[in-house]
Parts: sequence; C-alpha cells; structure tokens
Amino acid sequence: GENVEQHPSTLSVQEGDSAVIKCTYSDSASNYFPWYKQELGKGPQLIIDIRSNVGEKKDQRIAVTLNKTAKHFSLHITETQPEDSAVYFCAERRNTGFQKLVFGTGTRLLVSP
Amino acid sequence: GAVVSQHPSRVICKSGTSVKIECRSLDFQATTMFWYRQFPKQSLMLMATSNEGSKATYEQGVEKDKFLINHASLTLSTLTVTSAHPEDSSFYICSALKGSGNTIYFGEGSWLTVV
Repeated sequence: GENVEQHPSTLSVQEGDSAVIKCTYSDSASNYFPWYKQELGKGPQLIIDIRSNVGEKKDQRIAVTLNKTAKHFSLHITETQPEDSAVYFCAERRNTGFQKLVFGTGTRLLVSP
Repeated sequence: GAVVSQHPSRVICKSGTSVKIECRSLDFQATTMFWYRQFPKQSLMLMATSNEGSKATYEQGVEKDKFLINHASLTLSTLTVTSAHPEDSSFYICSALKGSGNTIYFGEGSWLTVV
C-alpha cells in the first residue's frame, strides 16, 4: 500500500517530559526515513533522518529508532520545550527511481509550560 | 542543511487567471524537485516530480494541463496554476533532492488564494 501510518495524531505533554511518535510502513524495500517538523504556515523542516542500515540515530534531544523487521520507526524527543510544539511528519522513501517521499498523516505535538 | 526558497510566499489571484510559483535551491543543485499541496490540518500530497531537462511526472489524479511544471535549470523549478479556481486555493510546497545522500529539503511554502 501507499500509506505510512503515524500515531498518535495529537500528543500533549508537559515541558520537560518526553514525547514519542511512531510510524509504520509497508514496503520492505524502503530505505530512508526522515522526520520533519512543520510550524503553522511554514514548510516542513528536516529534523532527523535514518537510513535502513542503521538502527538508531541521535541528535541532542532528538532520536530516531528503526525496526526493519517490524517495519516501524519512532521519533523520540526528550526534555521537551514549548518551542517543540508543531506538527511532526514521518516519511519513507521507496527504493524507486524518483526518490519520492510518502508521508505519514502527522502528529500535532503540544508542549505546555 | 540546505536552503530551498519559494516565491511568492503569498499570492491572491482572480478566478480564471494563471499564477506562477518559483522554487529555487539556493546553495546546491537539484536535478529533482517535488511539488506538494497541503490542505489545512492535513498531510502533504505529492502532486508531481520535476526533473531538470525533462517532463514532470504527475501523480494520479493531478491534471498536468492545469498544473504546469517547468524545471529549466538545476536550481529552479516553477509551478504554474492555470485557469485558477477557488478550489485551487491551498498551500503549495516544493522540495529539492540534494546530493548523493539524496536528502530532501523543503521550501517555505506558498499560500495561494483564488478569489
């Protein structure tokens, strides 16, 4: 199928807590999994990505894990801050000639001070 | 990172007219760019893949004669919405494929309002 399932659709946390967003894909040939943060009225901003030959990647407060067997990958944000509030999209890239991305449905993260 | 610029950021046009949106990769060359459309509170919907020097590849259900795409150089792709109607009002976003790692960077988006 074409879809990437993303959960939850909405996530509310208190400042300082951790947030986890999960995505499940269907194509075992997918080899690249980026995460984007989108603030209201702006374009998506790449925050972290992982390739299929790696199981985990971390960048300061953000980490992504990939389970190829189960075909799912997760975004972990620790020590959340109000400025982390945004919509987060996962995506997968199929191993096709055009390198196009298939996006998840998005998660609206709200971090309360 | 990398910079992808879109222009205009906001445009209002009258029904029946055409409007052009530009997407530029400012600090890298992009043989492939993508155009998306996004409705409020929804995910990004891929409209077409733009390849430098060749015809764009459109996704199923996207009218190629209505949404004209031109990728004339390695740093510029344009989307022209022809004979615009109010239902074409949306947020249009481009992205560009960078380098051998094939990371994709997005522009800031363009709000189109057809009145």
